[in-house]
Amino acid sequence: QVQLVQSGAEVKKPGASVKVSCTTSGYTFTAYYLEWVRQVPGQGPEWMGSINTFSGDTKYAEKFQVRVTLTRDASINTAYMELSRLKSDDTAVYYCARRYQLMSSWLFDYWGQGTLVIVSS
Amino acid sequence: EIVLTQSPGTLSLSPGERATLSCRASQSVSASYLAWYQQKPGQAPRLLIYGASGRATGIPDRFSGSGSGTDFTLTISRLEPEDFAVYYCQQHASSVTFGGGTKVEIK
Repeated sequence: QVQLVQSGAEVKKPGASVKVSCTTSGYTFTAYYLEWVRQVPGQGPEWMGSINTFSGDTKYAEKFQVRVTLTRDASINTAYMELSRLKSDDTAVYYCARRYQLMSSWLFDYWGQGTLVIVSS
Repeated sequence: EIVLTQSPGTLSLSPGERATLSCRASQSVSASYLAWYQQKPGQAPRLLIYGASGRATGIPDRFSGSGSGTDFTLTISRLEPEDFAVYYCQQHASSVTFGGGTKVEIK
């Protein structure tokens, strides 16, 4: 069965960086894009970017363009999201999600369990 | 950026009732690029509807989606106890954005 398993919760100080991993199983890693979405408690989800797991090409939301880096290691079926220059309002749950493309529709069909990142001095 | 506005913010209904949730886009969105997700506390979002009206795998037929242009609707024909949750619409016509959500709570 398809699974996306994320790394554990992190507590970081303002100005630091955080790197969250997303390890997949149950399907061919390089056949699907992976998306990264975050959610501040009590708010709607916010898309951060996506990575083509085959080529490594990335696309970022404008808001995160200068602070986020998405990478992948196909040899271990794992993708990473690194967010730099953390601020207190980056405190959120960070999710990875698999993108299944059906004709022109994008389906975020499987999601990781989420990684809580707390930014606090 | 395409802004998605969901209404109402909260819907208070009883099991067995019909729920109608609205998602309005700030500019026209092709139906192919509109999806709906359900989220329960402490869980990741779950895909319900893609392409405005296609049901994802395993989603019961009491869930249906419709709409075009700037106005989209998610309908739950008869609420089951497990349907009380928060629902989000999402578009990927221009970047990817989500709405602010509609909470369906037990009356």
